[in-house]
Amino acid sequence: QVQLVQSGSELKEPGASVKVSCKTSGYSFDRYVINWVRQAPGQGLEYMGWIDAETGKSDLAPGLKGRAVISLDIPGTTAHLLISSLKADDTAIYYCARDVRIVGTMQFAYWGQGTQVTVSS
Amino acid sequence: QSALTQPASVSGSPGQSITISCTGSSADIGSYNYVSWYQQHPGKAPKLIISDVDRRPPGVSSRFSGSTSGNTASLTISGIQPEDEAKYYCSSYTSDTSLRIFGGGTTLTVL
Repeated sequence: QVQLVQSGSELKEPGASVKVSCKTSGYSFDRYVINWVRQAPGQGLEYMGWIDAETGKSDLAPGLKGRAVISLDIPGTTAHLLISSLKADDTAIYYCARDVRIVGTMQFAYWGQGTQVTVSS
Repeated sequence: QSALTQPASVSGSPGQSITISCTGSSADIGSYNYVSWYQQHPGKAPKLIISDVDRRPPGVSSRFSGSTSGNTASLTISGIQPEDEAKYYCSSYTSDTSLRIFGGGTTLTVL
């Protein structure tokens, strides 16, 4: 069955960087788009961006461009999200999610369990 | 970019039907059939319950249905049950950024 398993919680100081990993299994990794969504405490869902595991092409929400990078480890069937210059309002649960279809639609059929990232001094 | 607009809360008694609205614009809901709905219970990851406006993924109850009219999408839950108590989010593709946007979420309370 399709599974997305994320790396563990992180506590970072402001200005630091964090890398969140999303290990996938149960499907052909290079045929689907992986997306990233975050949720600040008590808040709604915020779409962050996507990466096409076949082409390596990616895109990020405007507010994250220049500060975040989505990458792939294809042999390891893992996607990564790197955020630098962390701020307090980056504190959130970060989710990876696989698209519902091979042609990326940014609709999320499978989700990771979430990774808590806390930014605090 | 602006989020889609959802009511903060809705409620109903078991067995009743409820509808959650999600208002966007011609840049998103009004022009694209990539509207999806997610159910999120406290402390859990969201779950896809509707994709492509009105398509239910395998295993999702037929009590959940979706539709659109103009710039507004709707999620209807027929015969609500206690386990339906959760937060519901709508989402759409937007041509403003060529990415996804979410609504602010609607809390469903089953009385």
